[in-house]
Amino acid sequence: EIVLTQSPGTLSLSPGERATLSCRASQSVSSTYLAWYQQKPGQAPRLLIYGASSGATGIPDRFSGSGSGTDFTLTISRLEPEDFAMYYCQQYGGSPSFGQGTRLEIK
Amino acid sequence: EVQLVQSGAEVKKPGESLKISCKGSGYSFTSHWIGWVRQMPGKGLEWMGIMYPGDSDTTYSPSFQGQVTISADKSISTAYMQWSSLKASDTAIYYCGRLRSSRWSAFDMWGQGTMVIVSS
Repeated sequence: EIVLTQSPGTLSLSPGERATLSCRASQSVSSTYLAWYQQKPGQAPRLLIYGASSGATGIPDRFSGSGSGTDFTLTISRLEPEDFAMYYCQQYGGSPSFGQGTRLEIK
Repeated sequence: EVQLVQSGAEVKKPGESLKISCKGSGYSFTSHWIGWVRQMPGKGLEWMGIMYPGDSDTTYSPSFQGQVTISADKSISTAYMQWSSLKASDTAIYYCGRLRSSRWSAFDMWGQGTMVIVSS
């Protein structure tokens, strides 16, 4: 089973700042099989990025994904008020799993 | 508009059975894998399993194999998750999701979630 570890657990930033969220896998993940989701309180998750770097439909271009092998990153270039939420990475090759999440909170 | 609409909240006692549903609309239900994700109170997301409604091909996470049953009725574009004997530890929100393309792909559409509370 591939374990995904997200860091930091909580990230405190201000609107307008740049956010960098990390997802590290316990073994190599094909970049084809790495996604990022956003979840707000009381809502279902929303797909942001798939294939490590492809933006899902309707996702603003301030969200971008990168990485390969065991290290992947979600970057939000300039934080908007609506971006403060939980973020999860997921690998979906073979035996899918999610990371434990990063909480992005307003500083 | 592509939508997944889940059944309403349930309150059950330990040992009871339960079947929750997820109805798809706005797309070809039999052409996309559909899956289930658990979120226990205050916790993260857990991948439970997926089914291809076109031929009922099903894959479970080892953690959930034997604990739940995923099924679908393609005539009414509805997927199901069922338990034969609930435990208190099954208390969670359960989300269904549509896989974007193949068996191994991301969830590109989600239901609103079904809260299941199991308590004596």
